[in-house]
Amino acid sequence: NAGVTQTPKFQVLKTGQSMTLQCAQDMNHNSMYWYRQDPGMGLRLIYYSASEGTTDKGEVPNGYNVSRLNKREFSLRLESAAPSQTSVYFCASSLQGDVTEAFFGQGTRLTVV
Amino acid sequence: QKEVEQNSGPLSVPEGAIASLNCTYSDRGSQSFFWYRQYSGKSPELIMSIYSNGDKEDGRFTAQLNKASQYVSLLIRDSQPSDSATYLCAVNDAGGTSYGKLTFGQGTILTVHP
Repeated sequence: NAGVTQTPKFQVLKTGQSMTLQCAQDMNHNSMYWYRQDPGMGLRLIYYSASEGTTDKGEVPNGYNVSRLNKREFSLRLESAAPSQTSVYFCASSLQGDVTEAFFGQGTRLTVV
Repeated sequence: QKEVEQNSGPLSVPEGAIASLNCTYSDRGSQSFFWYRQYSGKSPELIMSIYSNGDKEDGRFTAQLNKASQYVSLLIRDSQPSDSATYLCAVNDAGGTSYGKLTFGQGTILTVHP
């Protein structure tokens, strides 16, 4: 009963490096999301995927790209990391339509130095 | 820009008391409202959802929704030290085909002291 699984849990990058955060869910959910959480700012949506094959920008998409690899997996890529991208990243998933409860992965704590 | 505002806190209550957490939202078309609990260093955990005006009770938790006032609240009765956490209010994005996009408030830190 894994739910939403994110990897890695922790990562330190140097400015300009790239990396991909992985997310997989086993709940047969259609919609998946990437959020970032910064102190005092709640959760802000980076990108979301309403269904397999579609992605769209959220509130703070600059500096990120995503790939919905299949129904289970949704990855977030930082092409050239910046210190402003130091944050905790959460992946979430939900059923599409009226059922909108989102379930979260355990998070990735990313530090860019 | 759709906004969700929570009472800033931190909120401190004694064990056994009622904790009251409040949230207002700007998008009058929003239809679904959620309360998440987040322990320090952990991921958000859904504790309540509410879709209709009025009260919804689940154990020690009661969610209240007033769409006319664009206001949603969470009451925690008989507060326990284990309730100490950050509580996040979330509102669905009602614009177009929302697909469950949620806008979160900044969170309220609750401390329940023995």
